Amino acid sequence: DAGVTQSPTHLIKTRGQQVTLRCSPKSGHDTVSWYQQALGQGPQFIFQYYEEEERQRGNFPDRFSGHQFPNYSSELNVNALLLGDSALYLCASSYDRSNQPQHFGDGTRLSIL
Amino acid sequence: AQSVSQHNHHVILSEAASLELGCNYSYGGTVNLFWYVQYPGQHLQLLLKYFSGDPLVKGIKGFEAEFIKSKFSFNLRKPSVQWSDTAEYFCAVRGGSQGNLIFGKGTKLSVKP
Repeated sequence: DAGVTQSPTHLIKTRGQQVTLRCSPKSGHDTVSWYQQALGQGPQFIFQYYEEEERQRGNFPDRFSGHQFPNYSSELNVNALLLGDSALYLCASSYDRSNQPQHFGDGTRLSIL
Repeated sequence: AQSVSQHNHHVILSEAASLELGCNYSYGGTVNLFWYVQYPGQHLQLLLKYFSGDPLVKGIKGFEAEFIKSKFSFNLRKPSVQWSDTAEYFCAVRGGSQGNLIFGKGTKLSVKP
């Protein structure tokens, strides 16, 4: 049973560039959430996708956008990268029913130079 | 706004010592509560969860946590830690039974053999 898979593992970009991160949810899960984890901090919620739509959003600027595909996989896009966007980006998947925990992937380490 | 506070940034214990990690949250309604663990080089794993019912919940690897509603607390405990428990521990809260998680900043646990 495949868990949550994310790609790429590591990424180096420069300021002003754009980046796309990918996530495949755990088998049977239909909801994908994205989190940003800065060094020394806990994960911060970016947004959640369900039925190919953004259902919830945290306090992140419009530079952060996403997409969910019919197979439930998801992408996180970040435009106009800033140094402060350097972080570990985590994808979590869950089944859209009450009281279901989220399962996390290994994350993508994004470094901005 | 919801928030989670973890009292200890770094805890150092010897093997066989008892562990208690504090977690307080701020939210006025029904909550789901979680403890996640992140072993070095690994993804976030669910340690235990509380949705309703018995406020004392048992998780994997001998961990347990107690939900005290009047204190808005969900402290993690283990009677006797092992070197393999060295990891970072995150407390998280979810308002209601679905939706995003709010994480604390994490507590790094180092267990000396």
